[in-house]
Formats: sequence, C-alpha cells, structure tokens
Amino acid sequence: QQPVQSPQAVILREGEDAVINCSSSKALYSVHWYRQKHGEAPVFLMILLKGGEQKGHEKISASFNEKKQQSSLYLTASQLSYSGTYFCGTPSGGSNYKLTFGKGTLLTVNP
Amino acid sequence: DTGVSQDPRHKITKRGQNVTFRCDPISEHNRLYWYRQTLGQGPEFLTYFQNEAQLEKSRLLSDRFSAERPKGSFSTLEIQRTEQGDSAMYLCASSLSAQGYEKLFFGSGTQLSVL
Repeated sequence: QQPVQSPQAVILREGEDAVINCSSSKALYSVHWYRQKHGEAPVFLMILLKGGEQKGHEKISASFNEKKQQSSLYLTASQLSYSGTYFCGTPSGGSNYKLTFGKGTLLTVNP
Repeated sequence: DTGVSQDPRHKITKRGQNVTFRCDPISEHNRLYWYRQTLGQGPEFLTYFQNEAQLEKSRLLSDRFSAERPKGSFSTLEIQRTEQGDSAMYLCASSLSAQGYEKLFFGSGTQLSVL
C-alpha cells in the first residue's frame, strides 16, 4: 500500500516554513524520508523508527505518530537548497529492506 | 566512498530491442536494489540482492526483466523485447545491512526511452 503524501506541491519564499505529511493505511514501524532534486538521485534525509528514535543528518526535523500511522517533515527557515521533491517511504511486505514510496511533494523555494 | 554509479545515463531504443543497464554499488555495501521511477511518481521497487543472491523480485516485474549480481559486486538489469511502457528512470541503490535500518544510497539512474 502506497503511503499518501500531502500537499502535492508547495511554494515558499526563502526563510518560510513548510510541513510535509505522510500517512499510511497500514501499521507503520518506520518512515523513511528522501529528497530528490531535478535530474539527480534521491538522497536519504531521515528515518523515523517506532519508539521515537530518529536518525538524520540535516537541519530538518520530523515526527512520527504510530497511532495515527503518519509522519510529518518540518522544514524551518527554508533555504534555496531545500527545493526538490520529498518522498516518504515505508517498509512493505513484512520486510525492512523493501520500501514503498509515496508520490512525492514538490517543494519550491524562491528568493 | 565514490557513490553508486550507473551506466549508461540515457538509453534510447526501439520497441522489441533488448537493453542492459549496469550498476556499481558502494564497495562495502552488501545489499543492492533496483527501483523504477516514472514522471510524477516515487521510486517503485523491482528487485533486491543480498550479496550475490537475488532474494526478492517484484510481482510487477514481467519475465522480460532479469537481474544479476555476480560475485556480489556490480549488478546488471536486462530488459528483453522492450515495450513503450518500459520507458522510465531505472534507479539502483545500495545499503549496508549492518546498520540495522536501511539507508539507501541511490545512483543517478538510467533514463530509458523506448520508441
């Protein structure tokens, strides 16, 4: 089951904040976030694990609500470099290696 | 860490022809994945290797698709008798299972256009 992302697209001015949501109809044990710039490979941003553990490497935060089966990615004080398509991925088929990705959220940050 | 590399970056072929793509993962990574991505969609899982063993293949993958990873190093994805519906970006990714969670490193992909 493909996770559902919202919004589909968002346009910001530099310095503004944005929230991207990812929800699933199935129980979630982890949520993975990737960003893909146009013409480039998706790049790992963060993984959120059941129990609240969070692993990431950028100044981007996220939350994971296991009860609601959803995750939110928070981009604060956006920079031009934040532009790209953000995908959430959830493990599927009982595996921890096969991810099913949402359709993505296109974020555009303008000067 | 030289990253995941894929070759070619672009491939244009005529319907019915066979194509083969290559992926060189990060050298110490034991897991390798192939995903397919079409415009406006997220990457879609195709197949997965742990070392040289192909452990899972998506049911969406027809018999025209085959993948190999000899000696657990590079991998190839072959599509036989290509169809226009095969046009997509084919992404390879690798990871190191020792981390306990899957952090995928993607290559830049091979863009396939079937005419």
